[in-house]
Amino acid sequence: DTEVTQTPKHLVMGMTNKKSLKCEQHMGHRAMYWYKQKAKKPPELMFVYSYEKLSINESVPSRFSPECPNSSLLNLHLHALQPEDSALYLCASSQLGKEETQYFGPGTRLLVL
Amino acid sequence: AQSVTQLDSQVPVFEEAPVELRCNYSSSVSVYLFWYVQYPNQGLQLLLKYLSGSTLVKGINGFEAEFNKSQTSFHLRKPSVHISDTAEYFCAVSDRGGGFKTIFGAGTRLFVKA
Repeated sequence: DTEVTQTPKHLVMGMTNKKSLKCEQHMGHRAMYWYKQKAKKPPELMFVYSYEKLSINESVPSRFSPECPNSSLLNLHLHALQPEDSALYLCASSQLGKEETQYFGPGTRLLVL
Repeated sequence: AQSVTQLDSQVPVFEEAPVELRCNYSSSVSVYLFWYVQYPNQGLQLLLKYLSGSTLVKGINGFEAEFNKSQTSFHLRKPSVHISDTAEYFCAVSDRGGGFKTIFGAGTRLFVKA
């Protein structure tokens, strides 16, 4: 199984809502990533978890709150987002020691109204 | 610090014609190199990667790329494209010394016409 799954596929939320994005992998990977991708732009790294601990936070605003409850799951909690946060949110995973090879999920397309 | 430059933002090509998507990188350290493809409304799929060894790398869907260290390039080629190859293609680098960061180029939109 070389698949990373993400739910939901699409999400529309208001600026006062709280929602969560979910990511799951069963490849035994111990590194998991969140990326943000705006239209017609490359992905930008947001967070990296290694052994379920936050390793990298690329100065992401606190309205984005990541969580890694176990080695297979990665969540991104969203609160008080702005319209400019509308984007495709991609999850990825990799083996530790082989971080260069990342497997991406299909993404969640988020629209903030 | 590393950077990636994809020299063409859009490449239109007719079906069954050959195509080359250009990628140059800059880095003070040795790097790994990648090409990813993103179909409309989908995530990224790894096409191929250069880690070491032969500088000609073959990937999925008939694509190949050649690592040229002296020219710091990693151009992607396909001898005969199909309509289904229409997608966004991203060149990317990561530090051989380890770490989690992958730096992506701006992307090249390949548009295959019938």
